[in-house]
Amino acid sequence: QSVLTQPPSVSGAPGQRVTISCTGSSSNIGTNYDVHWYQQLPGTAPKVLIYGNTNRPSGVPDRFSGSKSGTSASLAITGLQAEDEADYYCQSYDSSLSSRVFGTGTKVTVL
Amino acid sequence: QVQLQESGPGLVKPSGTLALTCAVSGGSISSSIWWSWVRQPPGKGLEWIGDIYHSGSTNYNPSLKSRVTMSVDKSKNSFSLRLNSVTAADTAVYYCARETYSGSDSYFDYWGQGTLVTVSS
Repeated sequence: QSVLTQPPSVSGAPGQRVTISCTGSSSNIGTNYDVHWYQQLPGTAPKVLIYGNTNRPSGVPDRFSGSKSGTSASLAITGLQAEDEADYYCQSYDSSLSSRVFGTGTKVTVL
Repeated sequence: QVQLQESGPGLVKPSGTLALTCAVSGGSISSSIWWSWVRQPPGKGLEWIGDIYHSGSTNYNPSLKSRVTMSVDKSKNSFSLRLNSVTAADTAVYYCARETYSGSDSYFDYWGQGTLVTVSS
C-alpha cells in the first residue's frame, strides 16, 4: 500500500481543466522532498511530466503544471485533450521508509 | 539519447529466482547517476524496487530488501536485478530507469520499455 494517495479517477470534457491530488505526510512531501509526476499511456512506460514540484521537461506542453503545499501536491491539466487520457502517478521520497515511493495512480478519462 | 533495454526470462517458477539485466546505451553506467528498477503488477500501480550506483552502492525498498540483489557490470554498461523466492505476487512488468537529480531528490528521466515476468509453474 502506497504512502501517497491519489484519487482513482478523474474525468473532464475536452478543453476543461482537471486536477489530480497527491496526499502524503510529514515523512515525505511534508519533509521538503520534491514531488514528481509521470504520465503512463496504455501499454507504455511512464514518462516524466513534472519534476521538482513545478518544472516541465523539454517537450511537455505547458497545459501541464504542478504545485505543492504542505503535505500535498497537485497536477493540473488545462485545455484537456483526448491524448491526455492516461494514468498519472506522483512520486517522492519517504524518510521513514528510506524509500522512493509512488502514488496510487489516477486514471484520467476524457469524456 | 540515453536508451535502456531490459532482458531476461519471461517465465519463472514459484520459489525460483527472477533475474533481469538492463543494458544502457547512449550514456555511461559510470556516470554520477543512480540506476533503478521499478515494477508494475498487471492492472496495478508502480512500485520502486531499488537502485544502484556504479560503485556498487545500493538502496532497496524495505518491503523487498530481504529478497533483492542488484549489481553493475561496467564492462557491459549494464546493471542487473535478482529477486529470489518469487511467488505469483511478483508477476509484473519490470522497468529499469535512470535517476536524475532535482533539488533535494531525484526523479526518473529515462525508462526502459519494460519486460513482463510471470511467476507460474
